[in-house]
Amino acid sequence: NFMLTQPHSVSESPGKTVTISCTGSSGSIASNYVQWYQQRPGGAPTTVIYEDNQRPSGVPDRFSGSIDSSSSSASLSISGLKPEDEADYYCQSYDSNNRWVFGGGTKLTVL
Amino acid sequence: EVQLVESGGGLVQPGGSLRLSCAASGFTVSSSYMTWVRQAPGKGLEWVSFLYSGGSADYADSVKGRFTIARDNSKNTLYLQMNSLRAEDTAVYYCARKTTGGVYWGQGTLVTVSS
Repeated sequence: NFMLTQPHSVSESPGKTVTISCTGSSGSIASNYVQWYQQRPGGAPTTVIYEDNQRPSGVPDRFSGSIDSSSSSASLSISGLKPEDEADYYCQSYDSNNRWVFGGGTKLTVL
Repeated sequence: EVQLVESGGGLVQPGGSLRLSCAASGFTVSSSYMTWVRQAPGKGLEWVSFLYSGGSADYADSVKGRFTIARDNSKNTLYLQMNSLRAEDTAVYYCARKTTGGVYWGQGTLVTVSS
């Protein structure tokens, strides 16, 4: 079964840049689009990146997504960190049957 | 404005049934790719089911044969019929709409399966 692996937690200081990785278990992560969702404490998920590197309207350009086919991984980078960026972040893609697969989530702490 | 409002959650005994609703506004459910995702307390997101605009659907192995996704076009509402509920089905259930501009999420409804 296709799986996505994320670091359990990351932390960085305000104003800095943080990168969260999402590694696919088999095949190429570039075979299907990757989405990234932000979930603040007590809230519902929201989309911050879709189709690998696209930002929905309203999401600041401090958020960016990328794919590294050589390592079968996707990354979410957040620059100019703000306290309100503190949240859980989930990557999501699809398996060979187009079923959704989520990473385990990464807790971002803005120190 | 696109809105998704879930309802129907609550406390149910193991083996019981529950039907979740997701009332949509600002778009047409019958023309959309809709999905249900759940989140157990303190855990990560888990995909449950999707329904294509054409009517085909699929389910996670953990719920296949027990859950059914459906829509009522006249009410512009998505449903999740949940039967033979187990303790491990306890979660907040979110409905979401997948579009070319990203995924839009509802606020969720809590289902608790306990005796």
